[in-house]
Amino acid sequence: DAGVTQSPTHLIKTRGQQVTLRCSPKSGHDTVSWYQQALGQGPQFIFQYYEEEERQRGNFPDRFSGHQFPNYSSELNVNALLLGDSALYLCASSFGTGVLETQYFGPGTRLLVL
Amino acid sequence: AQSVTQLGSHVSVSEGALVLLRCNYSSSVPPYLFWYVQYPNQGLQLLLKYTSAATLVKGINGFEAEFKKSETSFHLTKPSAHMRDAAEYFCAVSHGSGNTGKLIFGQGTTLQVKP
Repeated sequence: DAGVTQSPTHLIKTRGQQVTLRCSPKSGHDTVSWYQQALGQGPQFIFQYYEEEERQRGNFPDRFSGHQFPNYSSELNVNALLLGDSALYLCASSFGTGVLETQYFGPGTRLLVL
Repeated sequence: AQSVTQLGSHVSVSEGALVLLRCNYSSSVPPYLFWYVQYPNQGLQLLLKYTSAATLVKGINGFEAEFKKSETSFHLTKPSAHMRDAAEYFCAVSHGSGNTGKLIFGQGTTLQVKP
């Protein structure tokens, strides 16, 4: 049974560019959450998708947007990249949005903005 | 607002010694608390979670944590460290309001295990 998968594993962009990161949830999971983990920091919640809708959002600007597809996979889009967007982006999936549902994390996409 | 503070960004122990990683939380509502571990170049793996059923929570790999409301703490312990325990450990808090799974993480503690 495949766990949470993310692509690409690494990405290098320049300031002002746009980037799309992808996530496939664990089999049977219908909820995807995205987190940003800056170097030396804990992950920070970006947003959560359930039933193809954004259910909750963290303190991130509108440059960060997402999408969930009917097969529950998800994309994270970041526009007008800034140097400070360099981080590890983690996707987590769960069955349902309840807080007691264990979130399974993927290995992440490491984004470097030059 | 909820927050988590992990005391000590780096902890070093000898193999076979007690592991103690400290976590204090702030929450205006009854919290749910979690410990995750992150090995190099991997995602986060859940070690254990507190959901108000029992104050002493046993997790995987021999780890356990005790919820102490009076001290607003949820420290992670393991009686005997193994080399394979070397990793980054994160404490996280959430709450049931709105039935959301949003996790708020601490800064993390790097555990070094010396032979």
